[in-house]
Amino acid sequence: GQNIDQPTEMTATEGAIVQINCTYQTSGFNGLFWYQQHAGEAPTFLSYNVLDGLEEKGRFSSFLSRSKGYSYLLLKELQMKDSASYLCAVRDSNYQLIWGAGTKLIIKP
Amino acid sequence: KAGVTQTPRYLIKTRGQQVTLSCSPISGHRSVSWYQQTPGQGLQFLFEYFSETQRNKGNFPGRFSGRQFSNSRSEMNVSTLELGDSALYLCASSPGRRQGSNGRALYEQYFGPGTRLTVT
Repeated sequence: GQNIDQPTEMTATEGAIVQINCTYQTSGFNGLFWYQQHAGEAPTFLSYNVLDGLEEKGRFSSFLSRSKGYSYLLLKELQMKDSASYLCAVRDSNYQLIWGAGTKLIIKP
Repeated sequence: KAGVTQTPRYLIKTRGQQVTLSCSPISGHRSVSWYQQTPGQGLQFLFEYFSETQRNKGNFPGRFSGRQFSNSRSEMNVSTLELGDSALYLCASSPGRRQGSNGRALYEQYFGPGTRLTVT
C-alpha cells in the first residue's frame, strides 16, 4: 500500500526554527509537495521537490531524498501566523496525489 | 486571475438524501480534483477530471460520483448520504499539463475554500 507519515503535532517557539519530517512509500514518484493549511481554510501551496536536494523560498525550505523516501520542511524565524497544519503529498506513478494526515504546528510566544 | 470557487460553502442534509457540490476552477485550468477532509484523516482523494474525462479515482463507494463540463466546471454528487459523509469537501484545480522542462507548476494544485457538509 501507499503511505505518507508525518508527526501529528509539533510545538515550537516564536523566532525559532522547526523541521517537519515526511517519509513516504509510494508506487512510483513524480514529485513531492508541501502545503500549509490554517484552521478552517483551504490548503495553500508552499513548495515542490522532484529532484534531491534543498529548495529555499524565503523563510521556508524543503528538502528531498528520493533514495530514502524522505523529505522535510524547514521553517525559520517562526512567527505566530505560522501556526497551521502542514501537509506533505507525493504524486505517484499514476500522477495521483497521495496525502499525509498533516502535522499541526503550534507556535508559542 | 480569480481563484477556485465552490458552492455552496455550507450544507446541512439528512441521511438518505443526495447532494450536489459545484466547483469552478481557475480560468485556463483543465484539471479538477475532489477531496474529502475529516479531522485526523487528512485529505482523501475522491477523483480527478481532465477535459471532461475522469482521469483518476480514489477508493470511495459508488455513491460518490462526479462530472466535468466543457467549460471545466465540475460537480460532485453524493447519493444516499450517511452520517460519515460529514466532512469538508475540497476542490482543487491545476493546469494538468507540463508547463516547463523542470516540471515546475506542472501539478501544483490550487484549492477552493471548500464545502462543509453536515449530515444529520
